[in-house]
Amino acid sequence: SQQGEEDPQALSIQEGENATMNCSYKTSINNLQWYRQNSGRGLVHLILIRSNEREKHSGRLRVTLDTSKKSSSLLITASRAADTASYFCATKILWVNNDMRFGAGTRLTVKP
Amino acid sequence: SQTIHQWPATLVQPVGSPLSLECTVEGTSNPNLYWYRQAAGRGLQLLFYSVGIGQISSEVPQNLSASRPQDRQFILSSKKLLLSDSGFYLCAWSAQDRVGSPLHFGNGTRLTVT
Repeated sequence: SQQGEEDPQALSIQEGENATMNCSYKTSINNLQWYRQNSGRGLVHLILIRSNEREKHSGRLRVTLDTSKKSSSLLITASRAADTASYFCATKILWVNNDMRFGAGTRLTVKP
Repeated sequence: SQTIHQWPATLVQPVGSPLSLECTVEGTSNPNLYWYRQAAGRGLQLLFYSVGIGQISSEVPQNLSASRPQDRQFILSSKKLLLSDSGFYLCAWSAQDRVGSPLHFGNGTRLTVT
């Protein structure tokens, strides 16, 4: 069963704008990860944030985690057309080994 | 560096035919291995994961099975395919640790059951 739910399901912006995607989950987690998927390809890991962290940066990516609200957000700043892809959050459920649960994803379109 | 190979890239099979998808990992030892399925425009559904040779955990009851005959080889099989087995199948690996290391995915197999 899925654990995370991304919001919105689809997002369309102009190049240069910021894109914010949200993820909510239901159970206690060890960490939360964001992945990117280009159409018809495998997923690529972007960033991992642990349950005791509140914010993390990687290049143009900024991830926040609020464990009290069981939610996370992914911000992509100064978006580019090449950022067009689907973005998924995945949670590592606490005390469950080797089990990553994915949401349904946000489809991001960046128009040039 | 570690690499993951998954084949074939696309497959069209008739209902009732058998299935065998193979995945191999290079450059790491004793990885966790996973099979996911992704329906069109949807998220990933975990089908099987393995922490070692011959150790398979199944997430959903279905006509699919998985095997891990070697440390870095993971095979997804079916004796008789159903129309509902169509989808995008992804193999992935992660390092064995307690924290939950990132997953590394293959490029997937697009399966169409006709």
